[in-house]
Amino acid sequence: EDQVTQSPEALRLQEGESSSLNCSYTVSGLRGLFWYRQDPGKGPEFLFTLYSAGEEKEKERLKATLTKKESFLHITAPKPEDSATYLCAVGPSGSARQLTFGSGTQLTVLP
Amino acid sequence: GAVVSQHPSRVICKSGTSVKIECRSLDFQATTMFWYRQFPKQSLMLMATSNEGSKATYEQGVEKDKFLINHASLTLSTLTVTSAHPEDSSFYICSAVTGTSTDTQYFGPGTRLTVL
Repeated sequence: EDQVTQSPEALRLQEGESSSLNCSYTVSGLRGLFWYRQDPGKGPEFLFTLYSAGEEKEKERLKATLTKKESFLHITAPKPEDSATYLCAVGPSGSARQLTFGSGTQLTVLP
Repeated sequence: GAVVSQHPSRVICKSGTSVKIECRSLDFQATTMFWYRQFPKQSLMLMATSNEGSKATYEQGVEKDKFLINHASLTLSTLTVTSAHPEDSSFYICSAVTGTSTDTQYFGPGTRLTVL
């Protein structure tokens, strides 16, 4: 069974304090790994798609990396507006493009 | 690009009534759309996969007679919650895939359903 585990569940950072969020996965063939940001009461906002181990993508203060077993979302010098829940999802091969989501990491950046 | 809208954003209804939620892809054609349900402080639970012009595929445990999905065009999918009850109160979110060569799902803003 495909599984996605995100850690930590919650993370509080001071503004400017860099850190990383972890997404560990077990799938029978990876079609893609996806990172989303979700604000309270809103739908998830797409951030990155990673397809193969060693791949990295960056967007402003965020950088996503991928290995064969996990992905990291690095946040450099975060700002209060980066506060949100970050969701990781995997697309297993042969699953008709469905995604399996992790439970998310709730990030709070304090000013 | 890749904007998905949902309507309504919030709906309150009485127990026993039916509610229709629309999901539209505004700037692309979506051959596949997905419907999710999210409870407070929990992650997204896939309810069904909707392909244009064909019947939706429901996940195990999701009642297809209660949650009717129609994907009649490449830009519109609807979810109808029939004979809604308080336990159906939740946050419903749709997503769409932009093409056949990508698996990235773009999500709508969600619909908050409250059944009294």
